[in-house]
Amino acid sequence: LAKTTQPISMDSYEGQEVNITCSHNNIATNDYITWYQQFPSQGPRFIIQGYKTKVTNEVASLFIPADRKSSTLCLPRVSLSDTAVYYCLVGFNTGGFKTIFGAGTRLFVKA
Amino acid sequence: GAGVSQSPSNKVTEKGKDVELRCDPISGHTALYWYRQSLGQGLEFLIYFQGNSAPDKSGLPSDRFSAERTGGSVSTLTIQRTQQEDSAVYLCASSSSRPGVGETQYFGPGTRLLVL
Repeated sequence: LAKTTQPISMDSYEGQEVNITCSHNNIATNDYITWYQQFPSQGPRFIIQGYKTKVTNEVASLFIPADRKSSTLCLPRVSLSDTAVYYCLVGFNTGGFKTIFGAGTRLFVKA
Repeated sequence: GAGVSQSPSNKVTEKGKDVELRCDPISGHTALYWYRQSLGQGLEFLIYFQGNSAPDKSGLPSDRFSAERTGGSVSTLTIQRTQQEDSAVYLCASSSSRPGVGETQYFGPGTRLLVL
């Protein structure tokens, strides 16, 4: 069971780029890396998913080095509304089946 | 289209009472998950349903917790003889395929349970 490690919290300012790194040393060959975002009083929301190299969508970018033992979520030019908890998950079964959501990273964006 | 819905949105009950929480997944989604989230904590996996297969109940914290999924759609999580430590947000999620490559879960808004 792949375990992930993320910083507990991060602070940033509006307009800055934020990078949140997740360590997953025991990632398996078939495992994908998925990031979710959770606002207060809401369920988590899928942000981005990748297997290797770089993935980009309209919300974020995900950078995965060749050894895949870590991944970095990049949020360009954050705004106050990006204040949330960000979870990194690793698994072939990226759902709840034998998957553990960690405590996530609490990002606080300041004006 | 409609997302995952859960009811009730809030539930206050007395210690020792039974409660039922309902989840309506996205139509056509074969996988359904229940999680529990205590205040300021991460998500705790409870149970997983996939199609007509036997559910994975390995995350249920005690035999007071049970869940059903009728007709491969709606699911009910039942907590018997509730305790104060059961107070949490109970989240339901569904996904469109057997867990695996590229699976994405869609979460409902959750049910906030308070046991007095």
